[in-house]
Amino acid sequence: EDQVTQSPEALRLQEGESSSLNCSYTVSGLRGLFWYRQDPGKGPEFLFTLYSAGEEKEKERLKATLTKKESFLHITAPKPEDSATYLCAVIKGGSSYKLIFGSGTRLLVRP
Amino acid sequence: GAVVSQHPSWVICKSGTSVKIECRSLDFQATTMFWYRQFPKQSLMLMATSNEGSKATYEQGVEKDKFLINHASLTLSTLTVTSAHPEDSSFYICSARVYRDPQQTQYFGPGTRLLVL
Repeated sequence: EDQVTQSPEALRLQEGESSSLNCSYTVSGLRGLFWYRQDPGKGPEFLFTLYSAGEEKEKERLKATLTKKESFLHITAPKPEDSATYLCAVIKGGSSYKLIFGSGTRLLVRP
Repeated sequence: GAVVSQHPSWVICKSGTSVKIECRSLDFQATTMFWYRQFPKQSLMLMATSNEGSKATYEQGVEKDKFLINHASLTLSTLTVTSAHPEDSSFYICSARVYRDPQQTQYFGPGTRLLVL
């Protein structure tokens, strides 16, 4: 069964305390893995797309990496404004390009 | 670029009435749009895939007659919640995929919060 699992469910960091969020997946024929950020009461905001193992992408304090089984979202020296829920989603081969979402990681960065 | 809007952002209605939610891609064409539902502290649940000029494809367990979807143009899809009841109260979010984008990225709207009294 296709599955996307994110951990931890919630993460509290002090400002400047770097950490990583994990997204593990079991899908047949991965076509793409997506990271989104969602603020309370808002729609998800696109961050990254990764397609093949070994690929890395960066944006400001965020860096996303991909292996054959999982993806990591590294947050370097986070700031309070990085507080949000981070969602991971995958598209598998042969589908109608539907996103399969994980349950998300709620990140709180304290000043 | 790749901005998606939704209208309204908030709606409160009485039980039994119908509510229409619009989803627009503002700066790109989208042959495919998606409608999601999200409950508090839960992830997004796909309700249906909306294709321009054809019937929507609904996910298992989603009532077609209750959630009417129309994708009349390359920039507009609408979701109508018919005869709404309190259990339909939720956060509804649409997304759109850029026409012929090989990366298949979905861009999301800001969401519509529906409260049925």
